[in-house]
Amino acid sequence: EAGVTQSPTHLIKTRGQQATLRCSPISGHTSVYWYQQALGLGLQFLLWYDEGEERNRGNFPPRFSGRQFPNYSSELNVNALELEDSALYLCASSFGQANQETQYFGPGTRLLVL
Amino acid sequence: GNSVTQMEGPVTLSEEAFLTINCTYTATGYPSLFWYVQYPGEGLQLLLKATKADDKGSNKGFEATYRKETTSFHLEKGSVQVSDSAVYFCALVPSGGSYIPTFGRGTSLIVHP
Repeated sequence: EAGVTQSPTHLIKTRGQQATLRCSPISGHTSVYWYQQALGLGLQFLLWYDEGEERNRGNFPPRFSGRQFPNYSSELNVNALELEDSALYLCASSFGQANQETQYFGPGTRLLVL
Repeated sequence: GNSVTQMEGPVTLSEEAFLTINCTYTATGYPSLFWYVQYPGEGLQLLLKATKADDKGSNKGFEATYRKETTSFHLEKGSVQVSDSAVYFCALVPSGGSYIPTFGRGTSLIVHP
């Protein structure tokens, strides 16, 4: 069974540009979570999608947005990039809600903003 | 709000030494508790979990017990190996409401031969 996949693996952008990151969950999983892992800050929750709907978002500005497609894959968009957006962005999927179901993580997309 | 506090790293040990990585949490109700491991250059992998008080999660020689009275979920291993070198994250997911995970900052473990 294929795991969670993310693309691209690396992304280099300049300030003010937009970045689009993609995630494909494990087959059968309906929930997708996005996290930002900045150096020294641990994982910060960004967004949670389930069954195509945004269920919750973390303490990030509106320029961080996303969506979930009918096949449960997901996109994270970051507009008006700032230098401090440089981080590893992790996607995770689960069969149901994360309190009982294990989250499975992808390898991440490393975003560098110059 | 919810929070997870882990001991600062890095933790440096010799092979076959005993490992403890402390984790305490703040949350209402009865959250589920998790330990994840991140090997260099990889994403996070679930190491073990416990979903109610006094439960013990175990995997690959690692153990952690859900202690409601001390709000702790310390990770232990009796004899570490060089291959255990990684970053370990403690996390909680609340039992109701948002179901949003909260992660600790991670503890780096370095095991020398």
